[in-house]
Amino acid sequence: KAGVTQTPRYLIKTRGQQVTLSCSPISGHRSVSWYQQTPGQGLQFLFEYFSETQRNKGNFPGRFSGRQFSNSRSEMNVSTLELGDSALYLCASSLALAGFGEQFFGPGTRLTVL
Amino acid sequence: AQRVTQPEKLLSVFKGAPVELKCNYSYSGSPELFWYVQYSRQRLQLLLRHISRESIKGFTADLNKGETSFHLKKPFAQEEDSAMYYCALRVGSRLTFGEGTQLTVNP
Repeated sequence: KAGVTQTPRYLIKTRGQQVTLSCSPISGHRSVSWYQQTPGQGLQFLFEYFSETQRNKGNFPGRFSGRQFSNSRSEMNVSTLELGDSALYLCASSLALAGFGEQFFGPGTRLTVL
Repeated sequence: AQRVTQPEKLLSVFKGAPVELKCNYSYSGSPELFWYVQYSRQRLQLLLRHISRESIKGFTADLNKGETSFHLKKPFAQEEDSAMYYCALRVGSRLTFGEGTQLTVNP
């Protein structure tokens, strides 16, 4: 089985721009969770999608949003980028809601905001 | 709110020495705890979970509710154990991670 894939792997943007990141879960997995990883804050939960519905949300501003499609692929959008948004963005998929199954992580998208 | 603390950002041991990576948590309910590992240039992966009480790659972790701890231990460290280790607490569908401990096992 192919693992979780994330595209693009690297992105460079400037302040004020917006960005869309994509995550393809493992085939058959219906839950996708997103995390932000930074050296200072570690790994922080952004949100989880299951069956095209947001089920849980972390403490991030409204500039961070996401969606999930009928094939379980998920996108994350960050608008009006700030320097502090520079981070590794990880997505993880699981068969059921993340609270009931193991999460498998993708390689991440490295976002740099200049 | 739940919180996970890993007091050591860096830990360095010699090959063959015992290693213990500390993890403390705060949560008022019944915790579900995990250890994740990230080897260099590899993706984050689950190492073990407390409910299965398993030993993976020689590592074990015991949940101590009295001390609210879930320390990761291995009696004899190997060079290939060098990696970043994260302790995580799951509440519902949300994983709360500690800041991680970078373990280096020297030859």
